[in-house]
Amino acid sequence: QKEVEQDPGPLSVPEGAIVSLNCTYSNSAFQYFMWYRQYSRKGPELLMYTYSSGNKEDGRFTAQVDKSSKYISLFIRDSQPSDSATYLCAMSRYGNKLVFGAGTILRVKS
Amino acid sequence: GAVVSQHPSWVICKSGTSVKIECRSLDFQATTMFWYRQFPKQSLMLMATSNEGSKATYEQGVEKDKFLINHASLTLSTLTVTSAHPEDSSFYICSARDLLYEQYFGPGTRLTVT
Repeated sequence: QKEVEQDPGPLSVPEGAIVSLNCTYSNSAFQYFMWYRQYSRKGPELLMYTYSSGNKEDGRFTAQVDKSSKYISLFIRDSQPSDSATYLCAMSRYGNKLVFGAGTILRVKS
Repeated sequence: GAVVSQHPSWVICKSGTSVKIECRSLDFQATTMFWYRQFPKQSLMLMATSNEGSKATYEQGVEKDKFLINHASLTLSTLTVTSAHPEDSSFYICSARDLLYEQYFGPGTRLTVT
């Protein structure tokens, strides 16, 4: 079993839809949770960074962490074609290296 | 957000030669930098962790003599692929971690070995 599980998709949604992306994990020691967006042939871009449980909102993006369920989510409101990319969840223990999910391919159709 | 640069963005080299890739944190100091490798349609694979002023820590299965890492300053880490072969062709991405443990990635370097 992988430490971090993420459905690779692809996930196709119409423009304007609310997108829900999720990851589950098995290591209860993870404290730092991140979401990255990666366009083809580019480096990942940090979207959201959360410490421990709770919600964090930034513009159209909302990140949620539920440590009791070992489940994290990223919501994208009013999705745009420019949001089409691969979304990677990542997490770590204090000071340790990141453990990535496999990445979910998102396609937003205009 | 913080900016990390990589140079070159794309390099083609002949088999047997060495290639150096630079990773710079432009607006913050990074005591720790990471080097990843990514194959098409796959997630990132951590190769090594680079700490300023000390030897890099390599992941299992990564040849330290083939992938030389130097982290000479708080803003610069380099990866040298020595005696490159076609199977080393890949997308190499570095990242830098700031004091808040947020990790920022460079744009990547595409290496093609002919």
